[in-house]
Amino acid sequence: TQLLEQSPQFLSIQEGENLTVYCNSSSVFSSLQWYRQEPGEGPVLLVTVVTGGEVKKLKRLTFQFGDARKDSSLHITAAQPGDTGLYLCAGEGVNNNDMRFGAGTRLTVKP
Amino acid sequence: DAGITQSPRHKVTETGTPVTLRCHQTENHRYMYWYRQDPGHGLRLIHYSYGVKDTDKGEVSDGYSVSRSKTEDFLLTLESATSSQTSVYFCAISEFGSNYGYTFGSGTRLTVV
Repeated sequence: TQLLEQSPQFLSIQEGENLTVYCNSSSVFSSLQWYRQEPGEGPVLLVTVVTGGEVKKLKRLTFQFGDARKDSSLHITAAQPGDTGLYLCAGEGVNNNDMRFGAGTRLTVKP
Repeated sequence: DAGITQSPRHKVTETGTPVTLRCHQTENHRYMYWYRQDPGHGLRLIHYSYGVKDTDKGEVSDGYSVSRSKTEDFLLTLESATSSQTSVYFCAISEFGSNYGYTFGSGTRLTVV
């Protein structure tokens, strides 16, 4: 059973600051996804990474998949209040349809 | 234009009663999933379906059953609700499987009293 640990659990920053959140596991994943969830809504897919060392950018968000495909990071540049939410990582194990989610990082960006 | 809707959005039920949650999609996606979300646990897979009448168990399937008689509908049934099943339930769909990412519904908040 692969477990994903996300850190930090909570993060509160001022608008304009940069931040990085992490997703770590002892297991190898065939792919890893990041989602953002707002209160009262379901998670929304931000990105999927599949290749070790892969870096993807989505405007001010940069996602990196570790070389060994066991970990990932999400970096946000110049955070804005609209970035506030719960950020979830999810990893697909060797068996298809065995996606496991981390507990999330709850980010608050203050104006 | 949601593509996936869950009903009801909120429900309060008594211990021991059966409860059915519905997930409806208009995307014609093959795969459908039921997750529950609890504080500190993230999202945990209950059951999933890879086609009409084709379903399989997930990580936390005890006390739950599912049915998929049509491509667009995936039903989750709690046979006899318990307080430990108080949670937020999310349905998700995927065209090619979980490896390619999910589209989630807005969730059903279920309280068992």
